[in-house]
Amino acid sequence: AQSVAQPEDQVNVAEGNPLTVKCTYSVSGNPYLFWYVQYPNRGLQFLLKYITGDNLVKGSYGFEAEFNKSQTSFHLKKPSALVSDSALYFCAVRVSGGSYIPTFGRGTSLIVHP
Amino acid sequence: DVKVTQSSRYLVKRTGEKVFLECVQDMDHENMFWYRQDPGLGLRLIYFSYDVKMKEKGDIPEGYSVSREKKERFSLILESASTNQTSMYLCASRGKGAVRDNEQFFGPGTRLTVL
Repeated sequence: AQSVAQPEDQVNVAEGNPLTVKCTYSVSGNPYLFWYVQYPNRGLQFLLKYITGDNLVKGSYGFEAEFNKSQTSFHLKKPSALVSDSALYFCAVRVSGGSYIPTFGRGTSLIVHP
Repeated sequence: DVKVTQSSRYLVKRTGEKVFLECVQDMDHENMFWYRQDPGLGLRLIYFSYDVKMKEKGDIPEGYSVSREKKERFSLILESASTNQTSMYLCASRGKGAVRDNEQFFGPGTRLTVL
């Protein structure tokens, strides 16, 4: 079984401040983890993924995420938020060697204030 | 540039109508997916297909069927639309083999309203 939780429905941050969007997961095995972003009235766009290797993963638009096995977390971060980062963010997980079907979180709305 | 396209961005149908949502990808991907997205519920998998003419039920297949006659095209069918099927529908694709570890590519979505 696999599941993912995004504990915050909404995150508010001021432009220029660092941002964090949280994700925790549960899998029976090694996880493959993904972050996607959805801008209004658009489909999801891939941001970054963790498959294996370095725990710190860098992705598109200056975003990064850290895989923490002991805390079963994969939080999305950015050092300096932009107003244009305002969007809906989805975390997804699947177990390696499993059905190859990912499970998505419910999404977190990020609002960056000018 | 890779692309997943969906036949309509917005669609309004009446209760009881048969509805077809079409998805086309140009990446020669084996795997294709249909999701519905509702506020507070995230993405829920309706059906997926891992090859032509092959399909598997996802988490919420009731009231839906699918068709995959060609590799590039995956259709979602609402046999008799109901108001509780009003939602955003997202199509996605992904390669197989080693690239199964890779991300999914999503279409722009179809916002369906059933009156």
